[in-house]
Amino acid sequence: AQSVTQLGSHVSVSEGALVLLRCNYSSSVPPYLFWYVQYPNQGLQLLLKYTSAATLVKGINGFEAEFKKSETSFHLTKPSAHMSDAAEYFCAVRRSGAGSYQLTFGKGTKLSVIP
Amino acid sequence: ETGVTQTPRHLVMGMTNKKSLKCEQHLGHNAMYWYKQSAKKPLELMFVYSLEERVENNSVPSRFSPECPNSSHLFLHLHTLQPEDSALYLCASSQDPAGLSSYNEQFFGPGTRLTVL
Repeated sequence: AQSVTQLGSHVSVSEGALVLLRCNYSSSVPPYLFWYVQYPNQGLQLLLKYTSAATLVKGINGFEAEFKKSETSFHLTKPSAHMSDAAEYFCAVRRSGAGSYQLTFGKGTKLSVIP
Repeated sequence: ETGVTQTPRHLVMGMTNKKSLKCEQHLGHNAMYWYKQSAKKPLELMFVYSLEERVENNSVPSRFSPECPNSSHLFLHLHTLQPEDSALYLCASSQDPAGLSSYNEQFFGPGTRLTVL
């Protein structure tokens, strides 16, 4: 079975500062990894995904994430935070293989951006 | 309409009521999902439908009854709910019905905020 741990339920950064949101996973087989963002009163939107093609994955809105197998991590970063980045971010894992519909989500990290 | 839509956006119901949540996807996808999002808990997958056939049911109480009449529509019928069922219910869809593709990303609707009194 796979699981996801997001360190820090709430992260605050100043506008223009580096954003780092941490995600560690456990999976018995090579996983597919995802980051989603949820703005208030909205559903989840896919930011980026790792599917083994490249360890550094670029997503939308200037976000990127690096898959590190040795550390079982998939941390999300953005060089310079913008006020519009304030939202909740979810890391998710899905096992590879047939019939693997289930996404296992972390508990989420709420990002606040201070002007 | 584009993407995944859900109605109603907000619903308040008593424990003896019967109501239904509706989801429609306009993406031509073949799989649809119901998730429950409660405060301070991870998103929980409730049901998965692939090509209109239920393929996963994650130990959900029988007071929740899904229905998928075609690949574009998904319903969640609710009856005799409990206050702890109050949550945001999210619908999602994805392209690959067999769950094989690495690009089988899920697209989410805005959710229905349910309050059970």
